[in-house]
Amino acid sequence: AQKITQTQPGMFVQEKEAVTLDCTYDTSDPSYGLFWYKQPSSGEMIFLIYQGSYDQQNATEGRYSLNFQKARKSANLVISASQLGDSAMYFCAMREGFSGNTGKLIFGQGTTLQVKP
Amino acid sequence: DADVTQTPRNRITKTGKRIMLECSQTKGHDRMYWYRQDPGLGLQLIYYSFDVKDINKGEISDGYSVSRQAQAKFSLSLESAIPNQTALYFCATSDPTDTQYFGPGTRLTVL
Repeated sequence: AQKITQTQPGMFVQEKEAVTLDCTYDTSDPSYGLFWYKQPSSGEMIFLIYQGSYDQQNATEGRYSLNFQKARKSANLVISASQLGDSAMYFCAMREGFSGNTGKLIFGQGTTLQVKP
Repeated sequence: DADVTQTPRNRITKTGKRIMLECSQTKGHDRMYWYRQDPGLGLQLIYYSFDVKDINKGEISDGYSVSRQAQAKFSLSLESAIPNQTALYFCATSDPTDTQYFGPGTRLTVL
């Protein structure tokens, strides 16, 4: 069964607007972690934000925030005030089990975001 | 200097050849990983290592082998390359929160 689902293969957003990239996950483990990575056209994978399953508040990192809805098993990435440099592929990933266990991440198939000037 | 480096960055080889991809890290992390990414898809785990003496298979280890020469070095080998191993290969390390830090990737083409 697919563990991480990103249902939006591609999205467009106007520069300076906010955009939400969807991610749903499936796990029976009460302890897990959720990550978002950015992959620009140059190919590197850049860590953006992390949310632990027991974290009480939604994670934020600058213009990035993670809308964590545990009951719905969703972990959507919100990018505020989009910039042209935000154009990239974005991956949602999950670590099952507590931190420091295997450390293995399961990745979704990604969403390509294009920011229009 | 980058914390995680990979060599070579690009490689073209022929079917049946043995090839090694190398990874070095200066982050001091014990855990290291090798992934492959096929065009338009997410990453799939090939092998991972918790330390020099602890190496584990990932989802797609067939056709690959690894060697952890030191805490800082983790290499991936394709014993006999085949065209469907054409992909982008990433090495990564992880910190105690399991946040993974990736190298720049190696683009491998098998003709």
